[in-house]
Amino acid sequence: AQKVTQAQTEISVVEKEDVTLDCVYETRDTTYYLFWYKQPPSGELVFLIRRNSFDEQNEISGRYSWNFQKSTSSFNFTITASQVVDSAVYFCALSTSGTYKYIFGTGTRLKVLA
Amino acid sequence: GAVVSQHPSRVICKSGTSVKIECRSLDFQATTMFWYRQFPKKSLMLMATSNEGSKATYEQGVEKDKFLINHASLTLSTLTVTSAHPEDSSFYICSAGAGLAGGNNEQFFGPGTRLTVL
Repeated sequence: AQKVTQAQTEISVVEKEDVTLDCVYETRDTTYYLFWYKQPPSGELVFLIRRNSFDEQNEISGRYSWNFQKSTSSFNFTITASQVVDSAVYFCALSTSGTYKYIFGTGTRLKVLA
Repeated sequence: GAVVSQHPSRVICKSGTSVKIECRSLDFQATTMFWYRQFPKKSLMLMATSNEGSKATYEQGVEKDKFLINHASLTLSTLTVTSAHPEDSSFYICSAGAGLAGGNNEQFFGPGTRLTVL
């Protein structure tokens, strides 16, 4: 079975705090892809990152960083020095080789307070 | 690149009417398109997968006759909600995959359509 778990339903932080959003996935496939999307109040999904199963390198993009660990089946997302504009729902998704289907996590609602 | 549009962005209709939502890939050919439904404060729920020129594959529990999907060309898929009822009110999102040319299984998402059935 394939599954994505985002255990944190909602997180509130004060501006400038660092915050980590957790994502744990399950799959038996050896080739798969992991994604993070941001969904602001407007509703449009904003692509943040894609990782394939063969690339375990962590990535940093500005204030965003991702920690991919196959040993724990986790793909966590950290926002450094959070800002009010980071307030949104963040989704982690899994897609396996041979199919385009995404399995979405339930999302984590992040509230950054000024 | 990889832009997907949806039209309309918002629609309000009366109960019993049918509503058509269009999803277009603007700068690439989409061999596969997906339709999702999202309830307030919930995750995206895949409704169906459509491939150009063939019948859509619906997820379990999704009524085929209620949600008609047509993928007539490599750049256009439509979702028609037939005889809409208030419980069909939701946020509908489409996405498109670029096939082998796109690689890495990435889907490109449209901005969504908010349907309200009165």
